[in-house]
Amino acid sequence: QKEVEQNSGPLSVPEGAIASLNCTYSDRGSQSFFWYRQYSGKSPELIMFIYSNGDKEDGRFTAQLNKASQYVSLLIRDSQPSDSATYLCAVHNTDKLIFGTGTRLQVFP
Amino acid sequence: NAGVMQNPRHLVRRRGQEARLRCSPMKGHSHVYWYRQLPEEGLKFMVYLQKENIIDESGMPKERFSAEFPKEGPSILRIQQVVRGDSAAYFCASSRNREGTEAFFGQGTRLTVV
Repeated sequence: QKEVEQNSGPLSVPEGAIASLNCTYSDRGSQSFFWYRQYSGKSPELIMFIYSNGDKEDGRFTAQLNKASQYVSLLIRDSQPSDSATYLCAVHNTDKLIFGTGTRLQVFP
Repeated sequence: NAGVMQNPRHLVRRRGQEARLRCSPMKGHSHVYWYRQLPEEGLKFMVYLQKENIIDESGMPKERFSAEFPKEGPSILRIQQVVRGDSAAYFCASSRNREGTEAFFGQGTRLTVV
């Protein structure tokens, strides 16, 4: 089992819709969770982090964490074509920040 | 994040040469992570360093690869006797402390071995 798992996609949503990106992790002791966005050929950029169970909102983005289910998600409201990118879930595990392979999101006009 | 500086941005090496990749963390950050990314693949953890210490190198290949983060100066990822399979994007990220706070990435070094 991979430490951090994501569906590779692509996930295609129409402009204005809600995009839902999911991530599961294997280490129950993980405490910190991050979502990064990576455009093709560019470096990852941090979108959000979450440490506690529940929801955390920042603008059009909402991160959700359920430690009992070992599940993290990212919702993007009012999706825009500029949101088209690969979204990487990362989990802090002991002394390492472990990434999933990413989900490619395509927002079409 | 522009605060983490990596150089060079692009590096071409012939097989058998050495590659040195540099990473200067954001101001106030003393923790550095190195990752490798192959085309269309995810970020693979290589090594985690603090000033003058290697904390976790479980992702580093056993041979030819080494990393350091001296008291003064940037962190260096060194690849000796490069092979074509070393061609990849190498990213560095820095964070403020060890407890899993936010890590920010540099622009990466794209290594091409010819």
